[in-house]
Amino acid sequence: VIWMTQSPSLLSASTGDRVTISCRMSQGISSYLAWYQQKPGKAPELLIYAASTLQSGVPSRFSGSGSGTDFTLTISCLQSEDFATYYCQQYYSFPWTFGQGTKVEIK
Amino acid sequence: QVQLVESGGGVVQPGRSLRLSCAASGFTFSSYGMHWVRQAPGKGLEWVAVIWYDGSNKYYADSVKGRFTISRDNSKNTLYLQMNSLRAEDTAVYYCARDRSVGATLDAFDIWGQGTMVTVSS
Repeated sequence: VIWMTQSPSLLSASTGDRVTISCRMSQGISSYLAWYQQKPGKAPELLIYAASTLQSGVPSRFSGSGSGTDFTLTISCLQSEDFATYYCQQYYSFPWTFGQGTKVEIK
Repeated sequence: QVQLVESGGGVVQPGRSLRLSCAASGFTFSSYGMHWVRQAPGKGLEWVAVIWYDGSNKYYADSVKGRFTISRDNSKNTLYLQMNSLRAEDTAVYYCARDRSVGATLDAFDIWGQGTMVTVSS
């Protein structure tokens, strides 16, 4: 099983801030990493796949980087609609696993 | 419109069974791998199972192996999850999700259903 450490678990920020979320793997996964956004009571939505490829329709203020064991999601200029919970997920080997989640809240 | 709609959730006693369904529309269902993902109340996401586009391969999380069975009917554009020997810890919202890539290459999940709640309680 590939273990994932996502940090921070809670991030307080203001509109316009640049925020970064980290995801660290217990072993290398090349670039088989995705990022999802989830709002309360809603299904998750895919933001980024293959570590750095933006899903169609996702604003360009979202970006992903990293490979191997260390990955980062960056929101360059936080908007009001971005306050949500974010999850990383590896799809390198079974079982697929998710990070514990990062809740981005209004400071 | 590409869409996944789950159904079949409800309240069930421990040890009993339940079958979830996920109806797909707006895309060629038979071309995509499909997954079930669950989320316990107030908790994070947990991948449950995957089935290949043609049903030829299936994989499960250890927490459900031997109790849950994923299947699909490509003629009905429907994905299923048969859940047996249910436990309190299976209480969660269950989502079906489409694999982003066509064919046998597994990828991230690009389309999700709205979820169906399963509560296991006596």
